[in-house]
Amino acid sequence: QKEVEQNSGPLSVPEGAIASLNCTYSDRGSQSFFWYRQYSGKSPELIMFIYSNGDKEDGRFTAQLNKASQYVSLLIRDSQPSDSATYLCAVNTFYSGNTPLVFGKGTRLSVIA
Amino acid sequence: GAVVSQHPSRVICKSGTSVKIECRSLDFQATTMFWYRQFPKQSLMLMATSNEGSKATYEQGVEKDKFLINHASLTLSTLTVTSAHPEDSSFYICSASTGRGLKDTEAFFGQGTRLTVV
Repeated sequence: QKEVEQNSGPLSVPEGAIASLNCTYSDRGSQSFFWYRQYSGKSPELIMFIYSNGDKEDGRFTAQLNKASQYVSLLIRDSQPSDSATYLCAVNTFYSGNTPLVFGKGTRLSVIA
Repeated sequence: GAVVSQHPSRVICKSGTSVKIECRSLDFQATTMFWYRQFPKQSLMLMATSNEGSKATYEQGVEKDKFLINHASLTLSTLTVTSAHPEDSSFYICSASTGRGLKDTEAFFGQGTRLTVV
């Protein structure tokens, strides 16, 4: 059973602070890792993906992957109220688009102005 | 990124009727699409994997006779909720991947369909 675990939150951070979102996964064979943002009533939108151990930065977002610990995280610098949403961690076992992503339950982030 | 279009975005139907939801990949061919259901404040739950030209693969607990999936072309998959009941009211989302290789494994989502059965 492939599982992806996230703290459901809510995680509250003040505007301008760093928000840290964490995710662990059970399948050691997992190859690709994704962070999606979902606003209430909307479908998820991709923020970042990461395949290799280490950090990957894109603007205010940094994804961190540690395959040995089966852990992936997302840091949001200079958090803005517009970042308030549910963040979904997703994992894929294969380098293939023909297998569905396994999603965590999501962490609700609230950025307070 | 790739574009996945889902229609309708919102539908209200009477109990006992059927509703069809369309999912189209607009700028790429998708041999595989996925259908999810999301209840309020819960995560995405995979319902089925839609394969072009063959039968869909349903997740455990999902009734294949109730949720009919057709993937007749490389750009279109449809989900039909048959004999809908109020408990089928949910947010239905499709996704697809270009699936060409390492960098294309991310899933692109349709806009979602809010189904309300009254």
